[in-house]
Amino acid sequence: DTGVSQDPRHKITKRGQNVTFRCDPISEHNRLYWYRQTLGQGPEFLTYFQNEAQLEKSRLLSDRFSAERPKGSFSTLEIQRTEQGDSAMYLCASSRGQGGETQYFGPGTRLLVL
Amino acid sequence: AQSVTQLGSHVSVSEGALVLLRCNYSSSVPPYLFWYVQYPNQGLQLLLKYTTGATLVKGINGFEAEFKKSETSFHLTKPSAHMSDAAEYFCAVSDRTNAGKSTFGDGTTLTVKP
Repeated sequence: DTGVSQDPRHKITKRGQNVTFRCDPISEHNRLYWYRQTLGQGPEFLTYFQNEAQLEKSRLLSDRFSAERPKGSFSTLEIQRTEQGDSAMYLCASSRGQGGETQYFGPGTRLLVL
Repeated sequence: AQSVTQLGSHVSVSEGALVLLRCNYSSSVPPYLFWYVQYPNQGLQLLLKYTTGATLVKGINGFEAEFKKSETSFHLTKPSAHMSDAAEYFCAVSDRTNAGKSTFGDGTTLTVKP
């Protein structure tokens, strides 16, 4: 069990650029979650996958955001035409997939949009 | 919709003193309840969770929490604070009937004074 990993850990970009983040969950976990955390707040749910199927998206996830989990393993989160308001920590978590199951969080990707 | 309120965004205690971090939730059905700890520039680590059964839950690092349905509370306690407990703590709920996505409070920063 190597834990959840995220890449990159930090990303600085200019407004209007596209960015993509990657999350590698714990290998036997079939659920994968994306959260966003801004300074002074708790994580906010963005979307989640059951295997390769994206089952729910938050209203926070505008059409500039897209997430994929093509083979039910790793996931990517892309933000197109970044805005300064997108600056945040993006957290990925995985779990075995039943309610109440512990979600294991990665270290996060900190995004700064200039 | 679920919500979580953490009373007190900052709590300061002396080393060896009791730690009490407050969490109240709102949910239409009894939820799953979690406490996480987050150290600077790291992801979230689960301290403890309540899913069913005994309402007093023991977690890692000497922390425990009690689920009180009548008070819709899940306060976190530790009898004796240690310097290493200084961190940010998040209470979270997830819906038993849903995907396991969690709704987080805004966090409480715990400072431990020598």
